[in-house]
Amino acid sequence: GAGVSQSPSNKVTEKGKDVELRCDPISGHTALYWYRQSLGQGLEFLIYFQGNSAPDKSGLPSDRFSAERTGGSVSTLTIQRTQQEDSAVYLCASSLTGDGGYTFGSGTRLTVV
Amino acid sequence: KQEVTQIPAALSVPEGENLVLNCSFTDSAIYNLQWFRQDPGKGLTSLLLIQSSQREQTSGRLNASLDKSSGRSTLYIAASQPGDSATYLCAVRDYTGKLIFGQGTTLQVKP
Repeated sequence: GAGVSQSPSNKVTEKGKDVELRCDPISGHTALYWYRQSLGQGLEFLIYFQGNSAPDKSGLPSDRFSAERTGGSVSTLTIQRTQQEDSAVYLCASSLTGDGGYTFGSGTRLTVV
Repeated sequence: KQEVTQIPAALSVPEGENLVLNCSFTDSAIYNLQWFRQDPGKGLTSLLLIQSSQREQTSGRLNASLDKSSGRSTLYIAASQPGDSATYLCAVRDYTGKLIFGQGTTLQVKP
């Protein structure tokens, strides 16, 4: 597609439920990134994919968070047993390797009630 | 560990002023540096990308410079307009591919 697409754009879930966030990167972009932005905070790196592998998972805040990428394209970020502190905007970005810059999606606003 | 700092945290100027936003980073081993704009409740829009071998990039009223050896970048906005009001984020890409962000400068341009 022309840009990075994320779905849903908004998600309200009850505490303790699992959620899945989807990112569809720009076609041909081999690198995919997930970031989190809490209210009034900066961007927090979560995980990075090169193709289908994740060389850097250092930003995942707990074992409730996981992510996968299939076919070198779509990625899913899963949060299990959601907590209120998981409420944030989750942003996905993709990039060509080499000298490409990042292109961000519009994000998924997650609210845990 | 790479750290990115942006000064000032907030800035309010009258329309028409030229202004400079500052970004500094602690590790000069960067692949590139990118400036983004974020409007309230929105995602990030890329403004300018400077490769590590470059000194500056220009797009319209925006000019970004990079001094890798001193760990500094500036974003110059000429003839500011109310539509420029947003948060401006600086980010450096390290050689692992990770993009590390500053906390941003929130700009308000008053008519």
